[in-house]
Amino acid sequence: DAKTTQPPSMDCAEGRAANLPCNHSTISGNEYVYWYRQIHSQGPQYIIHGLKNNETNEMASLIITEDRKSSTLILPHATLRDTAVYYCIVRVHSAREYGNKLVFGAGTILRVKS
Amino acid sequence: DTGVSQDPRHKITKRGQNVTFRCDPISEHNRLYWYRQTLGQGPEFLTYFQNEAQLEKSRLLSDRFSAERPKGSFSTLEIQRTEQGDSAMYLCASSLAQGTDTQYFGPGTRLTVL
Repeated sequence: DAKTTQPPSMDCAEGRAANLPCNHSTISGNEYVYWYRQIHSQGPQYIIHGLKNNETNEMASLIITEDRKSSTLILPHATLRDTAVYYCIVRVHSAREYGNKLVFGAGTILRVKS
Repeated sequence: DTGVSQDPRHKITKRGQNVTFRCDPISEHNRLYWYRQTLGQGPEFLTYFQNEAQLEKSRLLSDRFSAERPKGSFSTLEIQRTEQGDSAMYLCASSLAQGTDTQYFGPGTRLTVL
């Protein structure tokens, strides 16, 4: 079972920031928070990941609360092409041989509207 | 393009036929994953290879399913005696077992069993 909880859907106006929340209250100390998105009929696309510090890349920012029980993915200026299902996943970073699979939940459908 | 590629992108078959899908990972990646995604659901893990060794299999992978990665590069997923319930998107992902071990997905193969 997925270890995260996300709202089923959200709307965002084009050009505005999209803030997607994720709860992961049972996260372990060695688990990272990953975000992927899936545009209709395509494979999931990696967005960003983090452990406890906030992270930013060219696609998005990830804000993780101090207790690590929740996080928010921020798309600073959403466009119509950001309409997709966004998945928040927790997993261990490891070079170990087992247990590396991603466990997806239902995700959040983000609709960006003009 | 140096991303994960999958072939074919679409496959329509009749119930009872065998089908085979191919995945070519990112060239230096030594880990390869297969996932399955049905309509409206997140991807579900099927199996995982590190180099040529198949290290983990989901209980979703019935005995009609077989996956190989003979030389530790490309992988094939075969489904024998297809059933209508096998209709889904089959996704392949690859990663490098060091550093972030982030999985990158291919575009998927959409299977329709009539």
